[in-house]
Amino acid sequence: DAGVTQSPTHLIKTRGQQVTLRCSPKSGHDTVSWYQQALGQGPQFIFQYYEEEERQRGNFPDRFSGHQFPNYSSELNVNALLLGDSALYLCASSLTGSHQPQHFGDGTRLSIL
Amino acid sequence: QKEVEQNSGPLSVPEGAIASLNCTYSDRGSQSFFWYRQYSGKSPELIMSIYSNGDKEDGRFTAQLNKASQYVSLLIRDSQPSDSATYLCAVNTTPSGTYKYIFGTGTRLKVLA
Repeated sequence: DAGVTQSPTHLIKTRGQQVTLRCSPKSGHDTVSWYQQALGQGPQFIFQYYEEEERQRGNFPDRFSGHQFPNYSSELNVNALLLGDSALYLCASSLTGSHQPQHFGDGTRLSIL
Repeated sequence: QKEVEQNSGPLSVPEGAIASLNCTYSDRGSQSFFWYRQYSGKSPELIMSIYSNGDKEDGRFTAQLNKASQYVSLLIRDSQPSDSATYLCAVNTTPSGTYKYIFGTGTRLKVLA
């Protein structure tokens, strides 16, 4: 049973560029959430997708956008990259519902030069 | 006031001792609570979930929840050097019927051999 898979594992970009990160949820899961984790910090919620709609959004600018496809996979897009966007980007999947635990992928390490 | 607060540590305990990790949260409407373990450079791994007041045990781990005090804790019995990691507390808030996880900054645990 495949868990949450993310690609790519590592990415190096320069300021002003755009990036797309991808996530395939754990089999059977219908909800995908994205988090940004800076070094030494806890994961910060970016947004959550369910039924191809953005259901909830954290305190991130519009440069961060996403999409969920009919097969529940998801993409995170970041435009006009800033140095401060350097972080580990985590995708988590779950079933919908308040008591459903989220399971994380291995993350994408994004470095901005 | 931060939504989810944890002592950043490090918390150092000798091998075989009980490690006690604490977390407080601000949203009284929070419904479910999760503990994740994160090794350096890796993604968070779910350890325990708890939804009702009281204790919940799973092997060497016990989660404790007190909703009146807005407090959740994790006890690790017979601590092993392999338990050395950062432990993240996550609280599931439910704004507008969505399910949004808020993470603390994590407590770094060091188990000394």
